[in-house]
Amino acid sequence: AQKVTQAQTEISVVEKEDVTLDCVYETRDTTYYLFWYKQPPSGELVFLIRRNSFDEQNEISGRYSWNFQKSTSSFNFTITASQVVDSAVYFCALSDSTTGANSKLTFGKGITLSVRP
Amino acid sequence: ETGVTQTPRHLVMGMTNKKSLKCEQHLGHNAMYWYKQSAKKPLELMFVYNFKEQTENNSVPSRFSPECPNSSHLFLHLHTLQPEDSALYLCASSQETSATSSYNEQFFGPGTRLTVL
Repeated sequence: AQKVTQAQTEISVVEKEDVTLDCVYETRDTTYYLFWYKQPPSGELVFLIRRNSFDEQNEISGRYSWNFQKSTSSFNFTITASQVVDSAVYFCALSDSTTGANSKLTFGKGITLSVRP
Repeated sequence: ETGVTQTPRHLVMGMTNKKSLKCEQHLGHNAMYWYKQSAKKPLELMFVYNFKEQTENNSVPSRFSPECPNSSHLFLHLHTLQPEDSALYLCASSQETSATSSYNEQFFGPGTRLTVL
């Protein structure tokens, strides 16, 4: 069965520090997708990124970067030069074919990131 | 309106009340979802609708009754709830591209914060 583990529950950093949020997944499928979502205090989950299992290239988007390593089943997320506005709960999620039709996501428990001024 | 909207944003109800949550997506998607987010727990998928047809009921108690009159609207009818049903209820939508598995990202609404007294 698919599983997503976010071992870190809460992280607190000072503004401008870099921070890495870890995500480890389990799936028996060879085709799957990984996602990161951000949930600010307003409650809405904001989609950040989707990567498929055949593309292991790291991705950078502004201050955000993602490191996908199939060998360790990890999809870690790094925020460079963190800002107070980055304070939120961050969820890693997995979608694979064993979840059936539709984009059914298996979420991790989330990591609460607090960025202090 | 853009994206996914949910009303009301906050709801307090007694155990004998009947209420409904509403979700509307303005993205032209064909699939909609209800999730429950309780404190310290991963997001729990409750229901999935694909082209207005319910394709998933994740062992949800019958006191939760979904309704999807069209691809843009989704309701969650509530009756005789329990205090443990207090949670953030999130609606999401996605564009499914085939009858088999798809991996498209889901777009979430801001949620309804439900408190059952």
